[in-house]
Amino acid sequence: KQEVTQIPAALSVPEGENLVLNCSFTDSAIYNLQWFRQDPGKGLTSLLLIQSSQREQTSGRLNASLDKSSGRSTLYIAASQPGDSATYLCAVWDGATNKLIFGTGTLLAVQP
Amino acid sequence: DAGVTQSPTHLIKTRGQQVTLRCSPKSGHDTVSWYQQALGQGPQFIFQYYEEEERQRGNFPDRFSGHQFPNYSSELNVNALLLGDSALYLCASSWGTGNEQFFGPGTRLTVL
Repeated sequence: KQEVTQIPAALSVPEGENLVLNCSFTDSAIYNLQWFRQDPGKGLTSLLLIQSSQREQTSGRLNASLDKSSGRSTLYIAASQPGDSATYLCAVWDGATNKLIFGTGTLLAVQP
Repeated sequence: DAGVTQSPTHLIKTRGQQVTLRCSPKSGHDTVSWYQQALGQGPQFIFQYYEEEERQRGNFPDRFSGHQFPNYSSELNVNALLLGDSALYLCASSWGTGNEQFFGPGTRLTVL
């Protein structure tokens, strides 16, 4: 059964720092991996999608990597800003069940 | 280009009642998925609709049912509401299955 884990559960950093969020999954048979941002009580905003054949994707200050064989992905945020404060969720499209399976998220607080 | 829309935004029901939530997918998308997100947790997959049929289903009881209309919009119905059904219900749309998911703002359901 596919399980997705995100570490750390919460993170607080001063403004301007570069940071890394981690995501791990137990079954490498995935179609893709997607990173989302969620503000309190709101829906999810898609940040980056990495296909299973890709190693990384970049969008602005965000860079996501994927190592399918080791079951790991990282989301790198450069020069963090208070507006980056949110919960970050990763999700894998599981090949065995054909479903999107989420981690529990990392709550990020960027202090001004 | 309108994104995914959901209605209503908030809903309060009492135990035993029935509820219907609605979702309109992003323009050009033909697949709709529904998720339940409890406080502090990642979204849990309920089911997915494509070509007006339920294609995949998560571990949810038959009290949860859905429908997809010819215009690709979708409804989620929950019967015999329980206190534990209180959650944020999210709708996501995509072009086909296994592709990038775009989420709506969610419907906050409170069961008293």
